[in-house]
Amino acid sequence: DTGVSQNPRHKITKRGQNVTFRCDPISEHNRLYWYRQTLGQGPEFLTYFQNEAQLEKSRLLSDRFSAERPKGSFSTLEIQRTEQGDSAMYLCASSLLAEAFFGQGTRLTVV
Amino acid sequence: QQQVKQSPQSLIVQKGGIPIINCAYENTAFDYFPWYQQFPGKGPALLIAIRPDVSEKKEGRFTISFNKSAKQFSLHIMDSQPGDSATYFCAAYLGSGTYKYIFGTGTRLKVLA
Repeated sequence: DTGVSQNPRHKITKRGQNVTFRCDPISEHNRLYWYRQTLGQGPEFLTYFQNEAQLEKSRLLSDRFSAERPKGSFSTLEIQRTEQGDSAMYLCASSLLAEAFFGQGTRLTVV
Repeated sequence: QQQVKQSPQSLIVQKGGIPIINCAYENTAFDYFPWYQQFPGKGPALLIAIRPDVSEKKEGRFTISFNKSAKQFSLHIMDSQPGDSATYFCAAYLGSGTYKYIFGTGTRLKVLA
């Protein structure tokens, strides 16, 4: 399967714990995005990479959130000291040109 | 100016009907407008997209109509089927500068058998 792959698919964590998600984009895609989606809402932009450079970060992203894309391949999104409000679906997408393809997402539940 | 407004929030049609979902935007710098289909528990899947220099695009049973002067675009699903029941999102993309996608709030479509 050459689509966007996200792991894990589901994560349940206790409030205050740190979590890390991984995204493997489509291999030739140089752009990688992270979005967050809560129930009944559209995806909200979090951050964007072109190759290994993080070019934009949303004001939605507090300093508890950090994302990396070493070597311009896979990306990780880490949330430190999770809060209940962080519960959401975290989506990764990749693109070469304008067409963006999403992964299946990681559903985070903070209890 | 970065928002994309989508309506209706939900829609119920009979099988064979033609649901129409509408989106409006403000920023004339947007230069690509995709529609995504999302099933529960899945990521959004790219359905069809259009650029502002085209007024209509058809792919199978899906058609996008684009009105550049009104800054509006819509998705029409011809001969809708129960399998089309999903949430549909419009989006707008800035192809220069930020390269990011702004999504509408979604339309939950139910097609009755």
